[in-house]
Amino acid sequence: DGGITQSPKYLFRKEGQNVTLSCEQNLNHDAMYWYRQDPGQGLRLIYYSQIVNDFQKGDIAEGYSVSREKKESFPLTVTSAQKNPTAFYLCASSIDHRGGYTFGSGTRLTVV
Amino acid sequence: GQQLNQSPQSMFIQEGEDVSMNCTSSSIFNTWLWYKQEPGEGPVLLIALYKAGELTSNGRLTAQFGITRKDSFLNISASIPSDVGIYFCAGPLSYKLTFGKGTLLTVNP
Repeated sequence: DGGITQSPKYLFRKEGQNVTLSCEQNLNHDAMYWYRQDPGQGLRLIYYSQIVNDFQKGDIAEGYSVSREKKESFPLTVTSAQKNPTAFYLCASSIDHRGGYTFGSGTRLTVV
Repeated sequence: GQQLNQSPQSMFIQEGEDVSMNCTSSSIFNTWLWYKQEPGEGPVLLIALYKAGELTSNGRLTAQFGITRKDSFLNISASIPSDVGIYFCAGPLSYKLTFGKGTLLTVNP
């Protein structure tokens, strides 16, 4: 079955460490996205990629980095420069921006 | 970034009641999407609307694309406990989806 997989589901890191969140899709979608979700804040766009080897900053890109070396994969690195990294992170993919996004089941990152 | 104004922010209802929520924007949209997110999971697409005035149903859910193209409504009839979750509206803007802040629905059995 086609889908989008995020791993791990829960992640704990010490302050000051970089951490990479995995996102893999086998839907053959060109576009992929990373969102951050905090209580009462809705979904805020971190980065997005419309095609392999290309990506753009979203609304809250500071302290994050991404790569898109393969169509199937769009990993997100939360760097030590991110001031408040504890959050629920969602990855999504789509054929194009007009159609619905398919979301992964999310990664809950806790930095202590 | 551009935000969609979604209301109400939260709702507490009894099982069996009908629910209505809406989303408005200062921008015109050509597509309106409604998602549901259950606790600890990613959002799932419920209904997609592509034409102004369109009314679309999915089981007990009905959504409408406003005539002005600046709003959309989602109704849930005869609510059940598994309707609990956060409902998001979304629309495409500048080659990506913009989401409302969500309506948190709680259904008391």
